[in-house]
Amino acid sequence: KNEVEQSPQNLTAQEGEFITINCSYSVGISALHWLQQHPGGGIVSLFMLSSGKKKHGRLIATINIQEKHSSLHITASHPRDSAVYICAVSPLIQGAQKLVFGQGTRLTINP
Amino acid sequence: DTEVTQTPKHLVMGMTNKKSLKCEQHMGHRAMYWYKQKAKKPPELMFVYSYEKLSINESVPSRFSPECPNSSLLNLHLHALQPEDSALYLCASSQGTGGFPYEQYFGPGTRLTVT
Repeated sequence: KNEVEQSPQNLTAQEGEFITINCSYSVGISALHWLQQHPGGGIVSLFMLSSGKKKHGRLIATINIQEKHSSLHITASHPRDSAVYICAVSPLIQGAQKLVFGQGTRLTINP
Repeated sequence: DTEVTQTPKHLVMGMTNKKSLKCEQHMGHRAMYWYKQKAKKPPELMFVYSYEKLSINESVPSRFSPECPNSSLLNLHLHALQPEDSALYLCASSQGTGGFPYEQYFGPGTRLTVT
């Protein structure tokens, strides 16, 4: 079983829909990261959070440390949001900079 | 400037060639990373440099040789690669290392094809 599990693996939605991507982890962490990768492209860090909730534009990330769970929400989704969204954690034991990655969620937003 | 740059964008090399990948950041970050990413998989950590010293080597084969000439530059020297080494090679940097987590800033990657 992976230390970081994401669901769903693939998600297709219509433009304007509210999107939720989930991430569960099984290790103690110092932070959780949400990353975005467009096809053939580099990776962009969207959020790093260790408690509560963060918002940036149409993106919202929440984390529940007790339940070892995080969600990434996209409001008013747009085709340009189509990308792979990766959840990664900074584990307490391995060292904060050695990220453990989930398998990614491939999001497609149709116009 | 919050950019990590990587050159070249694409590289095709034969199994007997020697080539290098280059990564640069001017954010004053003291930690730099090399990742390898195969298609439809998450990145795999290869090396971490902290304050210009190699701090993590994830048991990477010696045909990959990292170098950190200064705090802004990171190179990956390639020699005698195998076709299975074909992948996207990503560089990243962060403000520091150690017990405190820092956001990692990624470059656009070099897509390497070994023939």
